[in-house]
Amino acid sequence: DAGVIQSPRHEVTEMGQEVTLRCKPISGHNSLFWYRQTMMRGLELLIYFNNNVPIDDSGMPEDRFSAKMPNASFSTLKIQPSEPRDSAVYFCASSPQQGVNEKLFFGSGTQLSVL
Amino acid sequence: DQQVKQNSPSLSVQEGRISILNCDYTNSMFDYFLWYKKYPAEGPTFLISISSIKDKNEDGRFTVFLNKSAKHLSLHIVPSQPGDSAVYFCAASVGAGSYQLTFGKGTKLSVIP
Repeated sequence: DAGVIQSPRHEVTEMGQEVTLRCKPISGHNSLFWYRQTMMRGLELLIYFNNNVPIDDSGMPEDRFSAKMPNASFSTLKIQPSEPRDSAVYFCASSPQQGVNEKLFFGSGTQLSVL
Repeated sequence: DQQVKQNSPSLSVQEGRISILNCDYTNSMFDYFLWYKKYPAEGPTFLISISSIKDKNEDGRFTVFLNKSAKHLSLHIVPSQPGDSAVYFCAASVGAGSYQLTFGKGTKLSVIP
């Protein structure tokens, strides 16, 4: 299995531009998570999907952030418009079950830099 | 308001010696704790976990200790190897089956050959 696949690995954009991050979860996993890692706040859960349905989006910082999961094999996290404070590493993770813990598998992340 | 705190951003240890990484939590509802390891340019991977009904869990060179009264846990790596050099994240949840993991900011361990 290829694991959780995220693209792009790096994204550099200018303030005000739209940014779209992509994720392909592990086949058969029915839970998908978007996390953000910053120096100040560490790893934070942004949104959690179960069976393609958003269950908890309380971690999404602002309306500028949106996430979709149109099918079991693809999810996007969009930031529009982007701001310099959005610069962070964004991780996608998937799990074969609703509860996670040991069964949470992360992608390699997208390093986002907003200038 | 950090509910899971890793107060040491970094730690250097000589190869062969013991590495001790510490984690404190403030939420008394947390009853399941995990450690994740992260190499550069990779995502975190699960390392070891412990339930609040235990005070120790061991897996090879890795042992996690839990002190519920102090709301403190620690990860011991014995003996430390250069391949252990990574960032270690402590995480906690309410219930072993919860989807919500609260992570600390991580401790960067460097094992010096």
